[in-house]
Amino acid sequence: DQQVKQNSPSLSVQEGRISILNCDYTNSMFDYFLWYKKYPAEGPTFLISISSIKDKNEDGRFTVFLNKSAKHLSLHIVPSQPGDSAVYFCAAGRETSGSRLTFGEGTQLTVNP
Amino acid sequence: SAVISQKPSRDICQRGTSLTIQCQVDSQVTMMFWYRQQPGQSLTLIATANQGSEATYESGFVIDKFPISRPNLTFSTLTVSNMSPEDSSIYLCSVRGDRAIMNTEAFFGQGTRLTVV
Repeated sequence: DQQVKQNSPSLSVQEGRISILNCDYTNSMFDYFLWYKKYPAEGPTFLISISSIKDKNEDGRFTVFLNKSAKHLSLHIVPSQPGDSAVYFCAAGRETSGSRLTFGEGTQLTVNP
Repeated sequence: SAVISQKPSRDICQRGTSLTIQCQVDSQVTMMFWYRQQPGQSLTLIATANQGSEATYESGFVIDKFPISRPNLTFSTLTVSNMSPEDSSIYLCSVRGDRAIMNTEAFFGQGTRLTVV
């Protein structure tokens, strides 16, 4: 039972344009959502998060949107840069479960110069 | 953020043998987690390692196959026992920073890439 799904295994965009990465979840008990970025041979690094009480959180070029009714979240990167090329994982958790996170399969983002 | 060091970073092992992966954190943390990422798949939680108590294993993972030690608040080990090619994965240590902005924010080591032949 895949509770967090990223349906696009890969995404390719041009430098300077917007990258939109999508994530769907099925467990309505999740109340925190996070995005992690992973470069080859490195562990995932925390990027941005959002609580279920919000529908948007912005940090520089990165914005996460949450649509609770649709059980959908997305990560927007504007403008995209070649250094953003990495695998992006969506993750979900419950505050009462500490840092036990459920991850999506990841989306490989490639930003072309 | 916590600095997490994992050893070894990669290894190639014979089936039937065991490998112990070490995770060292630069600060004391209450909760440590071990994840596995099989090729082309998402990160899957193996177990939660708490200092002073038995590790808590997720469904599908058992202590005999993945024994875990947590001798203090900065260190943990995960052993992959009696390995088979299906155990070929990236194994990741993770901690919850005690000053995490959100309660579920986690930090990861660089991972151990294990290949079983």
